[in-house]
Amino acid sequence: DTEVTQTPKHLVMGMTNKKSLKCEQHMGHRAMYWYKQKAKKPPELMFVYSYEKLSINESVPSRFSPECPNSSLLNLHLHALQPEDSALYLCASSQAWTPRYGYTFGSGTRLTVV
Amino acid sequence: QKEVEQNSGPLSVPEGAIASLNCTYSDRGSQSFFWYRQYSGKSPELIMFIYSNGDKEDGRFTAQLNKASQYVSLLIRDSQPSDSATYLCAVKSNDMRFGAGTRLTVKP
Repeated sequence: DTEVTQTPKHLVMGMTNKKSLKCEQHMGHRAMYWYKQKAKKPPELMFVYSYEKLSINESVPSRFSPECPNSSLLNLHLHALQPEDSALYLCASSQAWTPRYGYTFGSGTRLTVV
Repeated sequence: QKEVEQNSGPLSVPEGAIASLNCTYSDRGSQSFFWYRQYSGKSPELIMFIYSNGDKEDGRFTAQLNKASQYVSLLIRDSQPSDSATYLCAVKSNDMRFGAGTRLTVKP
C-alpha cells in the first residue's frame, strides 16, 4: 500500500466541468508535488509545496490550481480543461525539498477530458 | 538538449541475465540520482538512489555513478519476468528531473 493516497483513481470530465484531485500523505513529509505524465513520456513537474510555500511551474496553464489546506494535503483543482490535458496525474511527497531525498508517489489519477 | 537522456528501448533480456540500463544528464550541479520502476499504467516506485561516485548495491540491483562523465547506470542481476517495466532515471539538484525511461522486457 502506498503511503501517498490519491483520489479518485480515474476521472472523466467534460471541458466545462470543475473537479478536484486530492492527495494526502501520512509520513510527515515536508514537501509535496504534483506531476503530469503523458503516455511514454517522463513525469513533468507542475507544482511544489514546501515549507508553507507554493512554487509553480510557469508553463502550467491557469486552469490548474493547487490548494494546500495543511501540510499533509495537496489538492489540485481543475476547471475548463482541454482534451490535451488528459494524462496520469501523480502526487508525490518527500521528507524535504532538498536534493538528498527521493519521492514517494501516490497511485495516480487517470484523467480523461472529453 | 534533453536534461536527462535514456535509451527508450525496448531492452529485451532472457530470464536470469543481467540487464544494464544507462542514463546521462546535462546539469553538473545535480547532486542526487534515482532509479524508479514504473509498471504500465501505474505510478513510479523508487528502487535505488545514489549520491557518490562509484557503485551501490541493494539485492539484485546495482547503481553506478560517474559524475565526471555525467553518467549513471542501473544493473539488474538475475533478471526476472516481474522486472519487466519502464525504468526512469531521475536527477535532482532542487527539482527532480526525469528521463523518458527505458522499457525493459525479461523473457522467460
